[in-house]
Amino acid sequence: DIQMTQSPSSLSASVGDRVTITCRASQSISSSLNWYQQKPGKAPKLLIYAASSLQSGVPSRFSGSGSGTDFTLTISSLQPEDFATYYCQHIYRTPLTFGGGTKVEIK
Amino acid sequence: EVQLVESGGGLVQPGGSLKLSCAASGFTFSGSAIHWVRQASGKGLEWVGRIRSKANNYATAYAASVEGKFTISRDDSKNTAYLQMNSLKTEDTAVYYCTRHEVGVPFDYWGQGTLVTVSS
Repeated sequence: DIQMTQSPSSLSASVGDRVTITCRASQSISSSLNWYQQKPGKAPKLLIYAASSLQSGVPSRFSGSGSGTDFTLTISSLQPEDFATYYCQHIYRTPLTFGGGTKVEIK
Repeated sequence: EVQLVESGGGLVQPGGSLKLSCAASGFTFSGSAIHWVRQASGKGLEWVGRIRSKANNYATAYAASVEGKFTISRDDSKNTAYLQMNSLKTEDTAVYYCTRHEVGVPFDYWGQGTLVTVSS
């Protein structure tokens, strides 16, 4: 099975900060990677698919990059509504797996 | 409007069974794969399994943690997918979500989730 290692597990940041979250796959997954945002009590929300494609309706301050085994989610200027937990997920083949999550908290 | 609505969650004793439903609307259900994802309280997301479309022979796949215990099925005439859960253990306690996988943009819509509690 492909393991997804996400880092950091949590971070504190201020409004306006640039935030970077990384996700590493245990083997190459090409660009078969999604990023999600989840707020407490809510379903995950798709932000980025195919590693770098911005989902419709998602603000352009979110971007994704990478291929193979190393991926990055960047929030260019953190907004109050961005404080949440973020997950990566590979969809290369079953079983699909998620990263452990990154909780973005207010500094 | 695309909607996925889970139902069927509740309290069940260890060793018991439960069947969840995922009712879909607003898109061509028969052409989509449906996945189930769960989340224990305070924990991360765990992929449970998926069922593909008729064109892909309704192929199913499962996480190792539920293989042989859980079965995913679908009824395209009712636009509904199901998750049959047997031999439940306390560690199966979680919110269960269904989500669709369409060609091009996978996992773009999710249900609101249904809580399954396994406890005596």
